[in-house]
Amino acid sequence: ETGVTQTPRHLVMGMTNKKSLKCEQHLGHNAMYWYKQSAKKPLELMFVYNFKEQTENNSVPSRFSPECPNSSHLFLHLHTLQPEDSALYLCASSQDRQEKFFGPGTRLTVL
Amino acid sequence: AQSVTQPDIHITVSEGASLELRCNYSYGATPYLFWYVQSPGQGLQLLLKYFSGDTLVQGIKGFEAEFKRSQSSFNLRKPSVHWSDAAEYFCAVGQAAGNKLTFGGGTRVLVKP
Repeated sequence: ETGVTQTPRHLVMGMTNKKSLKCEQHLGHNAMYWYKQSAKKPLELMFVYNFKEQTENNSVPSRFSPECPNSSHLFLHLHTLQPEDSALYLCASSQDRQEKFFGPGTRLTVL
Repeated sequence: AQSVTQPDIHITVSEGASLELRCNYSYGATPYLFWYVQSPGQGLQLLLKYFSGDTLVQGIKGFEAEFKRSQSSFNLRKPSVHWSDAAEYFCAVGQAAGNKLTFGGGTRVLVKP
């Protein structure tokens, strides 16, 4: 695998489910990010991790819970989501403030 | 606070014609500027970036962009569009310190045969 990978690519869940999104980067970068891309809205930064430490949380609801066990892996744990949380969730990585490399995203649908 | 505006939501261009996508930013210091492209169902791919130096930057797939500080703009251009260029294009501004990246709303490009 090369670059940034995300699994699953598509996910449908009910509002009472618990699921997790996974991101893995094979680039040796030290920063990882979660972005949300909704229809008709600009890309929104959700979380930033630098060297496995969370350095930014952009007022994201607690039903989204990130986890970064090491510098190559990033998870987004989901529980009791709302239909308006349906979106494309993009993971990215970078080396310091250099350009970000994005994964293909997980298309999430909340029923 | 930094912000990015892409005034054109949709642009339709004929194959072989030139393309220019507009981007205006607001940022108090010297910006780091990026253009990304997103094909349907895919993540974002970096086309080019500007950090400093020559204000005309070359990117992949035949794209270039020009940084104009006086106009707070970073417009993307391609002299001759191919059908495979149909996608959504995002301009973004980053900080010289820190790693926050702010995106514009995107411009969707349609290519007519």
